Amino acid sequence: AQTVTQSQPEMSVQEAETVTLSCTYDTSESDYYLFWYKQPPSRQMILVIRQEAYKQQNATENRFSVNFQKAAKSFSLKISDSQLGDAAMYFCAYRSNDMRFGAGTRLTVKP
Amino acid sequence: EAQVTQNPRYLITVTGKKLTVTCSQNMNHEYMSWYRQDPGLGLRQIYYSMNVEVTDKGDVPEGYKVSRKEKRNFPLILESPSPNQTSLYFCASSLLGYNEQFFGPGTRLTVL
Repeated sequence: AQTVTQSQPEMSVQEAETVTLSCTYDTSESDYYLFWYKQPPSRQMILVIRQEAYKQQNATENRFSVNFQKAAKSFSLKISDSQLGDAAMYFCAYRSNDMRFGAGTRLTVKP
Repeated sequence: EAQVTQNPRYLITVTGKKLTVTCSQNMNHEYMSWYRQDPGLGLRQIYYSMNVEVTDKGDVPEGYKVSRKEKRNFPLILESPSPNQTSLYFCASSLLGYNEQFFGPGTRLTVL
């Protein structure tokens, strides 16, 4: 079965700095999607960024970008110019026939 | 507005008292799913449905039931809740395929 591992339970970053959240996954499939979701204190799950496994180019969305290493099964999220509003729980997720989530990384942003 | 709605948002109940959490989406999505979120475990899938009258078990289906009689609705039923089902529950929907899922606001359930 597919598994998703986030090895950093907590991370902190200074406002305006850059932080990278790690995610690895295990799968034998070749076709799948990867996602990063943000969960602020409101508990709402918000899609941050998505990556199709067949695409070699790393996805970017404004200050958010990913480093997708398919062979290494690694999918890290980089947040540039961190803002106070980025403070949240971040979940990495894998989807093929079903969807799997990592345990999450709690990001704190220090002013 | 495209959205997934869940009711109730908060629920405190006692062991053994049957309850239903409703989920509805207005995006004409084929796929719907229920998750529970527990600290340190992320979100784990309970049940999912790919279409009307088609449901399947996720990773943690024990103690839960679902039904999909209409495309827009996917209720979660706890026939005899127990304290270990105290959790935060999310409903989600998406198009078929590997698309991102859209999540409801969550239901905080406490079973005493």
